[in-house]
Amino acid sequence: KQEVTQIPAALSVPEGENLVLNCSFTDSAIYNLQWFRQDPGKGLTSLLLIQSSQREQTSGRLNASLDKSSGRSTLYIAASQPGDSATYLCAVRDTGFQKLVFGTGTRLLVSP
Amino acid sequence: GAGVSQSPRYKVAKRGQDVALRCDPISGHVSLFWYQQALGQGPEFLTYFQNEAQLDKSGLPSDRFFAERPEGSVSTLKIQRTQQEDSAVYLCASSLASGELGSPLHFGNGTRLTVT
Repeated sequence: KQEVTQIPAALSVPEGENLVLNCSFTDSAIYNLQWFRQDPGKGLTSLLLIQSSQREQTSGRLNASLDKSSGRSTLYIAASQPGDSATYLCAVRDTGFQKLVFGTGTRLLVSP
Repeated sequence: GAGVSQSPRYKVAKRGQDVALRCDPISGHVSLFWYQQALGQGPEFLTYFQNEAQLDKSGLPSDRFFAERPEGSVSTLKIQRTQQEDSAVYLCASSLASGELGSPLHFGNGTRLTVT
């Protein structure tokens, strides 16, 4: 059974710092991996989707990497801003399945 | 364009009552998912539709949970005889395709269900 773990559970940084969020998964037979952002009381917003054949994806200040063989992904946020404060969730889709398996998220607080 | 819309936004039910939660996916989206999110946890999969066909309901926690998407667009998640452990946010998500490339999921804002 696929299990997804995110470290750290919470992170507080001053504005302007670069930061890395970590995601690990137990079964490397994944189809893709997706990073989401969730604001309080809201649904999830897709940030980046990495197919299993890809190593990384970039969008603006965000960069996500995938090392399928070691079961790891990182989300790098450059020059953090207070508006980046949210919970970041990692989710994997296993090969042969449609559903996503989520981690428990990292709560990020960026202070001005 | 409009995103995924869920209603009601909040629902309070007394234990034992039946509830129905509605999801309007993005127009033209083939795939529709329901997830349950407990406080402080990541979403957990409940069920998946491809058009009107329910292809995976392995995540439904009991036979009190039932979902349908009769015309391949709007979906309803019904919970019968609600229990306190059913209290959670129920998220609906849709994607354009079900096929090879794994389209990004678009989530609604969820329905927060509180069972008293």
